[in-house]
Amino acid sequence: EPEVTQTPSHQVTQMGQEVILRCVPISNHLYFYWYRQILGQKVEFLVSFYNNEISEKSEIFDDQFSVERPDGSNFTLKIRSTKLEDSAMYFCASYTQAGANVLTFGAGSRLTVL
Amino acid sequence: SQQGEEDPQALSIQEGENATMNCSYKTSINNLQWYRQNSGRGLVHLILIRSNEREKHSGRLRVTLDTSKKSSSLLITASRAADTASYFCATGSPYNTDKLIFGTGTRLQVFP
Repeated sequence: EPEVTQTPSHQVTQMGQEVILRCVPISNHLYFYWYRQILGQKVEFLVSFYNNEISEKSEIFDDQFSVERPDGSNFTLKIRSTKLEDSAMYFCASYTQAGANVLTFGAGSRLTVL
Repeated sequence: SQQGEEDPQALSIQEGENATMNCSYKTSINNLQWYRQNSGRGLVHLILIRSNEREKHSGRLRVTLDTSKKSSSLLITASRAADTASYFCATGSPYNTDKLIFGTGTRLQVFP
């Protein structure tokens, strides 16, 4: 079964450092998302991406965050200057245009900011 | 903003018992979905119910939707230890189907 692949599975970084989280969505999917989940808490929407541009973003997704799809397959989330409160699991998800917005999630990237 | 809230927050049952989780939301929706999350893993889609449907079944799962009360329930019948996970409802707006908003989740523990 097709999968959404995320790397790294776990990254530890110092506060103020830049972090790039990578995702390879399912190949025929057209809509891409990043969600995050602080440990034990709810899954929060960050950003949606379609047709090579951001279609919607949440209040969490401030100027420190950016997304891009540099090569037509990878979908990346960059945090420019990490803060302690950015520590969370970050999930990439995607869906195809056909049918309803049923998301396929990756296994997540755990980010720990020290 | 629309937001799903599940209750209970946590539920512990014995294998073979039924588990019922509830979800409430605030605004109009075009569909409501339930997802499962094993500890530390990604979410897996379980079932989708459209706003014009009242009940849906999939295997041991039964989902109901009451749009007048803005609520949904997920029933897992004859639970197994392997059903131990967190369960989230997610709503998609009729005004913007681009994103899903997830609820707070119910942690289900099924004891063998």
